[in-house]
Amino acid sequence: ETGVTQTPRHLVMGMTNKKSLKCEQHLGHNAMYWYKQSAKKPLELMFVYNFKEQTENNSVPSRFSPECPNSSHLFLHLHTLQPEDSALYLCASSQRTSGGSYEQYFGPGTRLTVT
Amino acid sequence: QQPVQSPQAVILREGEDAVINCSSSKALYSVHWYRQKHGEAPVFLMILLKGGEQKGHEKISASFNEKKQQSSLYLTASQLSYSGTYFCGTQETSGSRLTFGEGTQLTVNP
Repeated sequence: ETGVTQTPRHLVMGMTNKKSLKCEQHLGHNAMYWYKQSAKKPLELMFVYNFKEQTENNSVPSRFSPECPNSSHLFLHLHTLQPEDSALYLCASSQRTSGGSYEQYFGPGTRLTVT
Repeated sequence: QQPVQSPQAVILREGEDAVINCSSSKALYSVHWYRQKHGEAPVFLMILLKGGEQKGHEKISASFNEKKQQSSLYLTASQLSYSGTYFCGTQETSGSRLTFGEGTQLTVNP
C-alpha cells in the first residue's frame, strides 16, 4: 500500500532541534490529517486540512506547526519538543471531510524519539 | 467522547470466531473499523452509517445498533492474517472528526 507515504520513517531529535515530517498522498484526496499514536493510547487527532484549509486543531501545542501547501502534501514542523512528544506520527488522507463519512487511508508513520 | 472497545485483547486458535464491540455514550452518525498490524499503518476495513446497516468484508462483517450506539465486528473462521489491533472510530455527525477507541489486540495462533 503506497497511497500515502511519509518521510522520514524514523527520527531522533534533541529538544532544541527543528525538524519537519513530510506526508504525500497519491490518491487524489482533498483532506489530510495528522494523528499521534502513543503506546497504550488511542489514535489522537492533531490537525485536519480540507482543500488545503485547516479545519481542525485539536488543542495541539504550538511547538507543532502544520503546513499544507496543496491537497497532496502535508508537513508537520517540529521545534523545541519535549520527551513526552515521542510517539508514532501518522498521516492520513480521505476524499474530503464534509458531507458524509469517508474512509481514511494511513501512511506508515514516522517514529519520533525526543531525547 | 472516546468510544469504549471490548475486549481489550483476545487470543484465538485458527478457525475460531471472535466478536469485538465498540460502544459510545453519544448518538452516532457512523462507525469506522480499522486494523493495524505491528509496525504498519492502520488499514481501513469498513464504515457503517446509522440505520443499523450490516456490512461484510470477506469473513469479517460488522453491524451497527443505532439505538444502543454500539457496533460489533465479527471475525469468522479466523486466519493467521487476522492478527493485529482493531480500532473503531466513531463520528457523531456528518463531517465531524473521528474519535478512536483504545483498540482490541487480536492474536490468532495456529
